[in-house]
Amino acid sequence: KQEVTQIPAALSVPEGENLVLNCSFTDSAIYNLQWFRQDPGKGLTSLLLIQSSQREQTSGRLNASLDKSSGRSTLYIAASQPGDSATYLCAVQGSSNTGKLIFGQGTTLQVKP
Amino acid sequence: NAGVTQTPKFQVLKTGQSMTLQCAQDMNHEYMSWYRQDPGMGLRLIHYSVGAGITDQGEVPNGYNVSRSTTEDFPLRLLSAAPSQTSVYFCAISTGYNEQFFGPGTRLTVL
Repeated sequence: KQEVTQIPAALSVPEGENLVLNCSFTDSAIYNLQWFRQDPGKGLTSLLLIQSSQREQTSGRLNASLDKSSGRSTLYIAASQPGDSATYLCAVQGSSNTGKLIFGQGTTLQVKP
Repeated sequence: NAGVTQTPKFQVLKTGQSMTLQCAQDMNHEYMSWYRQDPGMGLRLIHYSVGAGITDQGEVPNGYNVSRSTTEDFPLRLLSAAPSQTSVYFCAISTGYNEQFFGPGTRLTVL
């Protein structure tokens, strides 16, 4: 059974720092991995999608990497800002074509001015 | 949340009542799913559909029913609400292998 773990559960950094959020999964047979952002009381916003054949994806100050063989993904946030404060979730889709996602429990990020 | 709408936004039920959570999309995506989000448990899949007329169970299906008569709509029915179903419910859509989009959620309290 696929399990997804995110470490740390919470992170507090001063504004301007570069930071890395970690996501690990137990079964390397995945179709893709997606990173989401969730603000308090809100829905999920998709940040980056990495297909299983890809190694990384970039969007603005965000860079996500994927190492299937080791069951790991990282989300790198450059020059963090207070507006980046939110919970970040990673989710994997298994090898069956069903659109089913398995989520980690998230990392709650606070960026202090 | 573009293209995925959920109603209602908030709902309070008494134990034993029934209700339907609505999810609608205008992106013509084949795949639709329902998740619930609970503190300490993360998001868990309830039911999913890979197309009109096709549904299947996810990780936590007990107490919920779904049907998919059209591409656009995927309602989630609570037959007899229980306090354990107090949660935030999210509907998601995708084309299967690509990016998933989530609705804004329905916050349900069962007393």
